[in-house]
Amino acid sequence: EIVLTQSPATLSLSPGERATLSCRASQSVSRNLAWYQQKPGQAPRLLIYDASNRATGIPARFSGSGSGTDFTLTISSLEAEDFAVYYCQQRANWPPLTFGGGTKVEIK
Amino acid sequence: EVQLLESGGGFMQPGGSLRLSCAASGFTSSSNAMSWVRQAPGKGLEWVSVIRDSGSTYYADSVKGRFTISRDTAKNTLYLQMNTLRAEDTAVYYCAKMFDTTVWYFDYWGQGTLVTVSS
Repeated sequence: EIVLTQSPATLSLSPGERATLSCRASQSVSRNLAWYQQKPGQAPRLLIYDASNRATGIPARFSGSGSGTDFTLTISSLEAEDFAVYYCQQRANWPPLTFGGGTKVEIK
Repeated sequence: EVQLLESGGGFMQPGGSLRLSCAASGFTSSSNAMSWVRQAPGKGLEWVSVIRDSGSTYYADSVKGRFTISRDTAKNTLYLQMNTLRAEDTAVYYCAKMFDTTVWYFDYWGQGTLVTVSS
């Protein structure tokens, strides 16, 4: 089973700041990684797939990078609606499909 | 517009059974891979099961032998039969459509249905 480790657990930032979230895989997943956003009381939403492709309707301020075992989600300039929990997920080696533990982006 | 609507959650004692349903609209669920993902209260996401367009099924080790994923093509509905429930099965259960038949990311999600297992 591929374990995904996200860091930091919590990121405290102000609107307008840049957010950098990390996801590290226990073994290579090539570029088979996605990022999701989840707000309280809501279902997750797909943001990025295959490491760097934005899903339909996702703003350009969200970008993904990385390959192998190290991945980054960057939010270039935080807006009020971006404060949420973010999860990474791999599809390289299944079952099981696995998620990271999440990073909470909170208002500083 | 793709929509997924779960139902069937509720309160159950350990050892009991529940069947969750997920009514799909805006697409043909049997032509896609469909999945169940759960989230325990205050915790992260955990993949539970997937059914491919071919009908092949896969399960997380934590539910293998207790849960069964299935679908009704005529009703465009996905199911999760949950038997021998345990306290650790308490979670919001989401139905999710996979990105496509071989690219297993979750591109559409339902609103979730809460399952509580407690004595």
